[in-house]
Amino acid sequence: QSVLTQPPSASGTPGQRVTISCSGSTSNIGSNTVNWYQQLPGTAPKVLIYSNKQRPSGVPDRISGSKSGTSASLAISGLQSEDEADYYCATWDDSLSAWVFGGGTKLTVL
Amino acid sequence: QVLLVQSGADVKKPGASVRVSCKASGYTFTDSGISWVRQAPGQELEWLGWISPYNGNTKYAQIVEGRVTMTTETSTNTAYMELRSLRSDDTAVYYCARDRGVIRGFDSWGQGTLVTVSS
Repeated sequence: QSVLTQPPSASGTPGQRVTISCSGSTSNIGSNTVNWYQQLPGTAPKVLIYSNKQRPSGVPDRISGSKSGTSASLAISGLQSEDEADYYCATWDDSLSAWVFGGGTKLTVL
Repeated sequence: QVLLVQSGADVKKPGASVRVSCKASGYTFTDSGISWVRQAPGQELEWLGWISPYNGNTKYAQIVEGRVTMTTETSTNTAYMELRSLRSDDTAVYYCARDRGVIRGFDSWGQGTLVTVSS
């Protein structure tokens, strides 16, 4: 059972907008910023969003992040086939004194 | 560019130990921490711990505390993670990642090292 809760799956057609949620508590998301990682099949994770909504260079602006209270969201607009991957949210948990991850969401482009 | 290159896959018997290396390049090694994260087959990411190459300070996750040791060798810009008393549920891909702290998280990752624990 992961500390952060994500839906196990999400899907959309090319061009659509999809959102992935990440729910936590006051000791993690409620107290710290959230990062999002994309993991393509058979590869290492790659950071997509850091500090709730900041994009590293090279990440397109059709990808965005937000946070409110103890929840965060990742939005991908203009869905493309190359977006098919697993997505993980992560943050620091003050009670556990540890980085915690969500269980991951598998995004399928139909 | 920042590059983290890990050692190759390994197979160990239950009860044995494994050491995974992570060689960093493209940045000042002592400026950022290194975290280790693992992923069991078909499972989510799991943080194992962190080390500061600057002063050797460590922080281990409860799930492996007592069985793990993380070290660095600044002369070669290499980080190491040793896990002892291996069990079958330690079978996973182990990643090192440059840890930029709470705000920026893990901004570069190694390619991963598959450790298989099997009798």
